[in-house]
Amino acid sequence: QVQLVQSGSELKKPGASVKVSCKASGYSFTSYVMNWVRQAPGQGLEWMGWINTNTGNPTYAQGFTGRFVFSFDTSVSTAYLQINSLKAEDSAVYYCARYGDMAFDIWGQGTMVTVSS
Amino acid sequence: DIQMTQSPSTLSASVGDRVTITCRASQSIGTWLAWYQQKPGKAPKLLIYKASSLESGVPSRFSGSGSWTEFTLTISSLQPDDFATYYCQQYSNYPWTFGQGTKVDIK
Repeated sequence: QVQLVQSGSELKKPGASVKVSCKASGYSFTSYVMNWVRQAPGQGLEWMGWINTNTGNPTYAQGFTGRFVFSFDTSVSTAYLQINSLKAEDSAVYYCARYGDMAFDIWGQGTMVTVSS
Repeated sequence: DIQMTQSPSTLSASVGDRVTITCRASQSIGTWLAWYQQKPGKAPKLLIYKASSLESGVPSRFSGSGSWTEFTLTISSLQPDDFATYYCQQYSNYPWTFGQGTKVDIK
């Protein structure tokens, strides 16, 4: 079936980097753009941006430029979110979500990133 | 950026109640609006897209309506599985933005 499976929870120290993976299955990976959405503890959903899995072109929302990097590897149908120079305020659950004609129709299960010294 | 404002923020209801959640956009978004349901510890689930189209597999008690700046999500008869938080999202203009959420809890 169509699904996105994300990597497991991460505990990192401030200043470190983290790379979250999102493996797609059950559909043509390059036919849909991949979005990233952040949800801070007890808060709502925040769109971080997307990457066009056909052209490789990323689009970052304001507030997610510089330290955040979207990438993918078509050979393993996997999208990646890398966050550099982690700060405590980056602690959140990060979701990948497929965008088709029907908004964000498939979501990963989420990856919790905790930044703490 | 387009601001999405949901009301109410919290809604207490009973099983069998008709529930309506409103979402207002700060500028026109046509019908580029989606509704999601999120339960604690789970990923959001798409319910409605293009303002009124029901996602496959979603029960018909869910319906969406509206256009331009005013939208509603209606649950015709609330079921125990429906107690959750609901978010609207506009995907008309970048950056795509979500409402702050409406928590539906048990009265």
